[in-house]
Amino acid sequence: GAVVSQHPSWVICKSGTSVKIECRSLDFQATTMFWYRQFPKQSLMLMATSNEGSKATYEQGVEKDKFLINHASLTLSTLTVTSAHPEDSSFYICSASLEGWTGGIEQYFGPGTRLTVT
Amino acid sequence: KQEVTQIPAALSVPEGENLVLNCSFTDSAIYNLQWFRQDPGKGLTSLLLIQSSQREQTSGRLNASLDKSSGRSTLYIAASQPGDSATYLCAVRRNSGTYKYIFGTGTRLKVLA
Repeated sequence: GAVVSQHPSWVICKSGTSVKIECRSLDFQATTMFWYRQFPKQSLMLMATSNEGSKATYEQGVEKDKFLINHASLTLSTLTVTSAHPEDSSFYICSASLEGWTGGIEQYFGPGTRLTVT
Repeated sequence: KQEVTQIPAALSVPEGENLVLNCSFTDSAIYNLQWFRQDPGKGLTSLLLIQSSQREQTSGRLNASLDKSSGRSTLYIAASQPGDSATYLCAVRRNSGTYKYIFGTGTRLKVLA
């Protein structure tokens, strides 16, 4: 149980184009999903918190007009990188929160999406 | 501002060794702490979650401890195997009002056969 999927797993796009990444919770409903980016050999940096039916909350320094997040249902959140540039090339990972058997809220992560902007 | 640090940044050990990975955090007012494993180019797999009221959690060969007052957690791996080679990340959840996690810098582990 508690499986999170992402699509696509990797994508190459040209500079200036937009790319949409999907994050789905396959066997549970997630009112809250998170989007992270990870540069090579670095840790995960939280970009935004996505709540179903409301606007996403962005972390400081993250451009909300560039990274559009939509959480249309309890099982789907999307991240659109608009007007992508080479510096946007990164590994994007989503996660969804679920109460675990210990009673705490655990995060379950998707497999990630490798974005390369040429 | 919460900062999470992991030491060592990288570790290479022969198969069979017991090892300890360290995680420290600057703000002890945490709700819980979670350890993850990440294989190269992959997402994260949750290993253990420790609530702030707990001192340790165990799963198989893994044991994680938490000393909230000193801002430290350790992940103990017994009888390491080559399949344990991965990056290990710890993350702290700041308080019960948010689900946001702050991630550590990670420890890249390589277990040699």
